[in-house]
Order: sequence, then C-alpha cells, then structure tokens
Amino acid sequence: EPEVTQTPSHQVTQMGQEVILRCVPISNHLYFYWYRQILGQKVEFLVSFYNNEISEKSEIFDDQFSVERPDGSNFTLKIRSTKLEDSAMYFCASSGTSPQNIQYFGAGTRLSVL
Amino acid sequence: QQQVKQSPQSLIVQKGGISIINCAYENTAFDYFPWYQQFPGKGPALLIAIRPDVSEKKEGRFTISFNKSAKQFSLHIMDSQPGDSATYFCAANTIKAAGNKLTFGGGTRVLVKP
Repeated sequence: EPEVTQTPSHQVTQMGQEVILRCVPISNHLYFYWYRQILGQKVEFLVSFYNNEISEKSEIFDDQFSVERPDGSNFTLKIRSTKLEDSAMYFCASSGTSPQNIQYFGAGTRLSVL
Repeated sequence: QQQVKQSPQSLIVQKGGISIINCAYENTAFDYFPWYQQFPGKGPALLIAIRPDVSEKKEGRFTISFNKSAKQFSLHIMDSQPGDSATYFCAANTIKAAGNKLTFGGGTRVLVKP
C-alpha cells in the first residue's frame, strides 16, 4: 500500500536554528498538508498546498514557516528560526486528485527545540 | 466556531465491550466527518467517515452515528479487542476546491483490557 514518508523521524535543534522537515507524499496525490501535534494535545492544521501554492494556512503558520515542493516528489516544511514552542510532532498528509479524497498521514517528525 | 469537541479524554473497556466516543461541532458548513485511529509512534490513519446526508455508517465493528440537528456524531466500537487500544480522533472539514483542512477533536485514548 502506498504511504506518505517523512524524514527524519526525530530532529533535535537549538532555538533560533532553521530546520527543514521533509515529506514524500503518495505519488499521484495533488493535495498536500502539514499538521502538528504538541505532546498530549490535538492535531492542528498548519497549511495546505495545491497547484504549487498555499491554498490555506492557519494562524500558527506565520512568517517563520514556509513550504515548498522543490522537485515534484518532495514536500518540505521549513521553520526559519525555531522557538521552544515549536517542539511538536509534525505530520505531513496528502490526498488524491479530488479535495474529497482521504488524507493519508505520514508517521511524523518529532521536532525537539532545546 | 471551528472547534470540534471530543469526549471522553480516555476510556477503559473490557475485551468484548463497547467503546463509545462522542464529538460535537459548531460550524454548520462542515460536510465531512472522519474518524482517525492513531497508534503510538504512528500518524493518524483513517478509520471510517460519514457525510451529513446519512445518520449511520457501519464498517465491521466500527459504527458512526450522526445527528445533524444536534451537531453531534459518535463512534461505536463493538466487541472491542486489545488491538483496538489506540487514540481516536474525530475530525471535520468542509470540502473545498483547493483542498480541505481537517479540524480535529482533542482525542480519546482507548485501552481495551484483555
């Protein structure tokens, strides 16, 4: 069964450093998402991406965040200057050719900001 | 108005028992209500979903009941098994042309005792 792949599984960084979280969505999917889950809390939407542009973003997704699909297969989330409160599990998701399609989630990247 | 409220936060059930998780929403524009199952160290995986034009959907041991007038929906896990021990999230979204962000409930940690 096709799956969404995320790397690394765990990223440790110092406050103020830039991090890039990487995702390989399912190959024929057209819609891409990032969500985050702070430990013990609910999964929160960050951003959706379609047709090479952001289609929607939450208030969490401020100027420190950016997304990119650099090569037609990868989908990345960059945090320019990490803060302690960015520590969370970050999930990438993708869905198929219609917005009604199921969103498939990756296993996540645990980001620890020290 | 965008929130989805989920209860209980945790649930312990004996093997063979019924697990019931409830969710309530405010936004009447929501038109898709999935339930996701998450095991430790994994991303959320779609379990079952319902649209508001039906009041119930059953897949195997899992049933969603939907009450549009009350803006509530619930997940019933019949004949609960130890392998069902996981965190369950209800979610809701509005199908839009450019992707559809999921709004998640707070999650319910289910433990099925043998």
